[in-house]
Amino acid sequence: KQEVTQIPAALSVPEGENLVLNCSFTDSAIYNLQWFRQDPGKGLTSLLLIQSSQREQTSGRLNASLDKSSGRSTLYIAASQPGDSATYLCAPKAAGNKLTFGGGTRVLVKP
Amino acid sequence: DGGITQSPKYLFRKEGQNVTLSCEQNLNHDAMYWYRQDPGQGLRLIYYSQIVNDFQKGDIAEGYSVSREKKESFPLTVTSAQKNPTAFYLCASSTTGRDQPQHFGDGTRLSIL
Repeated sequence: KQEVTQIPAALSVPEGENLVLNCSFTDSAIYNLQWFRQDPGKGLTSLLLIQSSQREQTSGRLNASLDKSSGRSTLYIAASQPGDSATYLCAPKAAGNKLTFGGGTRVLVKP
Repeated sequence: DGGITQSPKYLFRKEGQNVTLSCEQNLNHDAMYWYRQDPGQGLRLIYYSQIVNDFQKGDIAEGYSVSREKKESFPLTVTSAQKNPTAFYLCASSTTGRDQPQHFGDGTRLSIL
């Protein structure tokens, strides 16, 4: 059974610092991995989807890396802004088109 | 606008009562999913459906039921058998291709009276 861990559980940084969010998973037989953002009391917004054959995926200030063989993905957010404050969730997809979610990293960017 | 609509936003359940959460999508997606989120935790899969008139149990299906009579709609019923229903419920949809992302609604928060 896939297990997903996100470390740290919470992170507080001053505005302008780069953010590094880690995701590890136990079963490397995945199709892809999706990173999401969740604002308090809201649904999930998809940020990036990185395919199992890819090493990196970029969108604006966001960059996600994937090392499938070691069961790790990292989300980098460059030059953080207060608007980046949210919870970030990772979810690898395996057989049956099912996502397994980590517990999330709660990020606070202080002005 | 294309998207996923969940209603109501807030719902209260009395002891012994069944309640139904609505999820409608106009993205023409074949697959739909229901997740439960408890405070400070990730999402857990309750039920999913890859096609109309077919659905499968997820990891925590006990105490829940679903139907999929129309492509656009995937309602979730929280039955009285679910002893700890207080949670945030999220509906998602996707195309059935394995490389496609899931898209989420804004959620329904269910509480016990």
